[in-house]
Amino acid sequence: EDQVTQSPEALRLQEGESSSLNCSYTVSGLRGLFWYRQDPGKGPEFLFTLYSAGEEKEKERLKATLTKKESFLHITAPKPEDSATYLCAVKENTGFQKLVFGTGTRLLVSP
Amino acid sequence: DGGITQSPKYLFRKEGQNVTLSCEQNLNHDAMYWYRQDPGQGLRLIYYSQIVNDFQKGDIAEGYSVSREKKESFPLTVTSAQKNPTAFYLCASSIGHTGYQPQHFGDGTRLSIL
Repeated sequence: EDQVTQSPEALRLQEGESSSLNCSYTVSGLRGLFWYRQDPGKGPEFLFTLYSAGEEKEKERLKATLTKKESFLHITAPKPEDSATYLCAVKENTGFQKLVFGTGTRLLVSP
Repeated sequence: DGGITQSPKYLFRKEGQNVTLSCEQNLNHDAMYWYRQDPGQGLRLIYYSQIVNDFQKGDIAEGYSVSREKKESFPLTVTSAQKNPTAFYLCASSIGHTGYQPQHFGDGTRLSIL
């Protein structure tokens, strides 16, 4: 069965302290890996799609990378407004092609 | 602005009652989805629809029903057969179901039991 595992479950950073979030996955063939940001009481907000190993995408302080087994979301010099839960989801390249979500990483950035 | 609107934001259900959650999108997307989010779990797919007048069960469809009579609307009914309905419900849409297009989400409805 397809699995998506995110680590750590929670991460507390000081403002300006860079770090990375991990998303490891097992699928038969990857159709795409998606990163979302979710604020409390809100729906997930789409950030990035990664299609193939070696690909990188950037948006402001966020940079997503992809290997054959995992993806990293690097946060450079975070600010308090980056505090949120970050969700990873993968789509398999066969059959139903549903999105399989991880349980997320809760990020708290303190001033 | 284009987007997905879910209503109501909060909903309370009595025992034996059916309740309907609304989802409307003006993105002109063909595919629409309903997910359930519980603490400590990933989003789980309830139903999805690739086109008007067609929909398919997801992983946890028991106790739920949907309709897709219009492209922009995909309401979800939580029936009395759903014994544990308390959760955060999310509606999403995408240009198509297959392919690389991301799903975009509404801001959810939180359902609680009275």
